[in-house]
Amino acid sequence: SYELTQPLSVSVALGQTARITCGGNKIGRKNVHWYKQKPGQAPVLVINRDTNRPSGIPERVSGSNSGNTATLTISRAQAGDEADYYCQVWDSSIEVVFGGGTKLTVL
Amino acid sequence: EVQLVESGGGLVQPGGSLRLSCTASGFTFSSYSINWVRQAPGKGLEWVSYISSSSSTIYYADSVKGRFTTSRDNAKNSLNLQMNSLRDEDTAVYYCARPGIAAPGADYYYGMDVWGQGTTVTVSS
Repeated sequence: SYELTQPLSVSVALGQTARITCGGNKIGRKNVHWYKQKPGQAPVLVINRDTNRPSGIPERVSGSNSGNTATLTISRAQAGDEADYYCQVWDSSIEVVFGGGTKLTVL
Repeated sequence: EVQLVESGGGLVQPGGSLRLSCTASGFTFSSYSINWVRQAPGKGLEWVSYISSSSSTIYYADSVKGRFTTSRDNAKNSLNLQMNSLRDEDTAVYYCARPGIAAPGADYYYGMDVWGQGTTVTVSS
């Protein structure tokens, strides 16, 4: 089955840029989605199909996908960005696959 | 308001059964497929099942195949997850979630833009 690999944690200073990676075999050929989840809350879609922001998601949140790595980039990090982030793809083995999740800490 | 609301969670003994429901409002439920996703305490997200808008296509994760059954009633805007032979490792918050497009076969490639608040299932003796 297909696997997605994310770092367990990423730290970023307030106002700086955070990058969260999601690794997978030839992931650049797949559509990658990113979710933000705060404790006790349901996940929220923040990036759809590699680069598309749903309504209400600020422009400082962006995504890219190429080769074996997809990346979620959060510019000008704020305290409210602190959360767990998950990448997700649909694999041809007929399943939805999530990455293990990355805890973002804003210092 | 577009909304999904789960219900039916609770405490059940290992080997027991439980039936979860997901009720939709604010959108044309019959046009959308729905996923079930769960999250064990302190763990990440795990996909459980997919059911297409017409129920013609249903997929399950290997971890629940043969034990869980997904069904829907479009006339009632509702979805069910029948869980049998429950194990300790099925303990989790269960979410229903909708893909961001109503397009059979294409919705696989879209993220899930509407999620319920989740219902908690605890399997313990």
